[in-house]
Amino acid sequence: KNQVEQSPQSLIILEGKNCTLQCNYTVSPFSNLRWYKQDTGRGPVSLTIMTFSENTKSNGRYTATLDADTKQSSLHITASQLSDSASYICVVSVSAPGGATNKLIFGTGTLLAVQP
Amino acid sequence: NAGVTQTPKFQVLKTGQSMTLQCAQDMNHNSMYWYRQDPGMGLRLIYYSASEGTTDKGEVPNGYNVSRLNKREFSLRLESAAPSQTSVYFCASSEHSAANTEAFFGQGTRLTVV
Repeated sequence: KNQVEQSPQSLIILEGKNCTLQCNYTVSPFSNLRWYKQDTGRGPVSLTIMTFSENTKSNGRYTATLDADTKQSSLHITASQLSDSASYICVVSVSAPGGATNKLIFGTGTLLAVQP
Repeated sequence: NAGVTQTPKFQVLKTGQSMTLQCAQDMNHNSMYWYRQDPGMGLRLIYYSASEGTTDKGEVPNGYNVSRLNKREFSLRLESAAPSQTSVYFCASSEHSAANTEAFFGQGTRLTVV
């Protein structure tokens, strides 16, 4: 069964500190892995997309890593800001036969609270 | 830059009532999707439209119907709402439906069925 699991479920950190969020997946056939940020009451917004051959990708203070052998990914946030408070969702894309149809498997998210 | 626009943002329905959730995108995308988000669960695909003129069932299609009105618009209809359909609904679009394309989401419709 295709699954995406994230940890921790929630996290509280102080402004300026770093943190790392984890994602484990059992998805086959794997196409790519995405991290989304979802602010309260808003839709998810893409942070990074990584394919099988990519080990790391950065977007400003966000750095995602991917280990396709162990089927693990992490999202590292550097020098956190109050605006980083949000849910971070790991999403794995399944490659359907013939490359058709973008099937996304969503994790349940890690709820991050950055406190002053 | 509107992106993906959903209406309404909030809605309360009585059990058995019907309603249509509207979604429009201005990015000239070919593919559009409807998801629902429930507490403690990841987003789940209800229906999708890989291209104008086509629609297909996703993971949780029961109780819903969709219409791809044109390339821009993709609506979701609840014919007879049930409390189990209380959820936050997200519309999304992507340039095409291949696995490596970026998906852009609307701001969501929070639906409560009483």
